Amino acid sequence: DAGVIQSPRHEVTEMGQEVTLRCKPISGHNSLFWYRQTMMRGLELLIYFNNNVPIDDSGMPEDRFSAKMPNASFSTLKIQPSEPRDSAVYFCASSPGLNTIYFGEGSWLTVV
Amino acid sequence: SQQGEEDPQALSIQEGENATMNCSYKTSINNLQWYRQNSGRGLVHLILIRSNEREKHSGRLRVTLDTSKKSSSLLITASRAADTASYFCATVREYGNKLVFGAGTILRVKS
Repeated sequence: DAGVIQSPRHEVTEMGQEVTLRCKPISGHNSLFWYRQTMMRGLELLIYFNNNVPIDDSGMPEDRFSAKMPNASFSTLKIQPSEPRDSAVYFCASSPGLNTIYFGEGSWLTVV
Repeated sequence: SQQGEEDPQALSIQEGENATMNCSYKTSINNLQWYRQNSGRGLVHLILIRSNEREKHSGRLRVTLDTSKKSSSLLITASRAADTASYFCATVREYGNKLVFGAGTILRVKS
């Protein structure tokens, strides 16, 4: 199994630009999570999906953030417009339940 | 919001020594998990302990859970330089449906 695949691995963008992060979960996993990791705030759960349906988006910081899961094998996290304080590592993770979560390698976002 | 709080925040030991990290949490849980994160990488699941379990072993890892004190500890025995990483506890609340991570402990094992 290839694991959770995220793209891009690194992105540097200018403030105000739209950023789209992509994730392919492990086949057969019915839960998908987006986390954000920063030094100041640690690892924060932004949103999670179960069977492609958003279950809890209470961690999404503001309306500039949106996430979609159009099918079981693909999800996106979009930031529009991006701001410097959005600079972080964004992790996608998937799980067949809540006993073990499998993380991707992360998308390192820098907004200048 | 973070459910788990690890301590110490950072730990530096010599190769061969044991490393103990602690995690405290606030609400009743269904299970508690420990993850490792190597620098620049994603998190990797190490071990899960359920609320009705008190101790669990996996190789050089030993995890304890004290639900009365709402705390857990992770012991790594005979540490190796390759154990250098950040370690996070994460909890699933009782009747909860998501995994919430603590701030992590940075472990450095010197060779």
